[in-house]
Amino acid sequence: AQSVTQLGSHVSVSEGALVLLRCNYSSSVPPYLFWYVQYPNQGLQLLLKYTSAATLVKGINGFEAEFKKSETSFHLTKPSAHMRDAAEYFCAVTGGSSYKLIFGSGTRLLVRP
Amino acid sequence: NAGVTQTPKFQVLKTGQSMTLQCAQDMNHNSMYWYRQDPGMGLRLIYYSASEGTTDKGEVPNGYNVSRLNKREFSLRLESAAPSQTSVYFCASSEAVVGYGYTFGSGTRLTVV
Repeated sequence: AQSVTQLGSHVSVSEGALVLLRCNYSSSVPPYLFWYVQYPNQGLQLLLKYTSAATLVKGINGFEAEFKKSETSFHLTKPSAHMRDAAEYFCAVTGGSSYKLIFGSGTRLLVRP
Repeated sequence: NAGVTQTPKFQVLKTGQSMTLQCAQDMNHNSMYWYRQDPGMGLRLIYYSASEGTTDKGEVPNGYNVSRLNKREFSLRLESAAPSQTSVYFCASSEAVVGYGYTFGSGTRLTVV
């Protein structure tokens, strides 16, 4: 079975500060990993995904994530937060013969002026 | 580029009423999904359809039924709404390919009073 754990249901940063959102996964097969973003009153949008190519994945809006197999992690980072980054972020995993995504419980990012 | 379209966007129901949430995608995807999103609980899969003509239960199917009307459309029906079904409902679609990822609709906010 696969699972995802997102550490911290809420993260607060100042504008211009580093954003770090944590995601740890469990998978008995090589995983595919995703980060989605949900802005208020909207659906989820794909930020980036890892599909076993480069371990450092760059996404939209300046976000990137690094796949670390030894740590079973796929943390999302952005060097400098903007007010527009305030949203909820979901990590998801799939792999093996399953194409259904398993989602984490989400992390709400608050950006302080 | 419509992507995944959900209707209605908002709905208020009285306990015991029935309604159908509609979802249509124009990307020729094989697979479609219905999720509910509740605070602190992330996204929970209600039903999915791997391909036209098939449907399967997800984590939380009780109280819901689905119909995969054709390749484009996947509807979710609440036969007798309960306050516990107050939630935001998201439809998503994807190719039935591992690592493909989902495209989400913008959601239906349902309140059962």
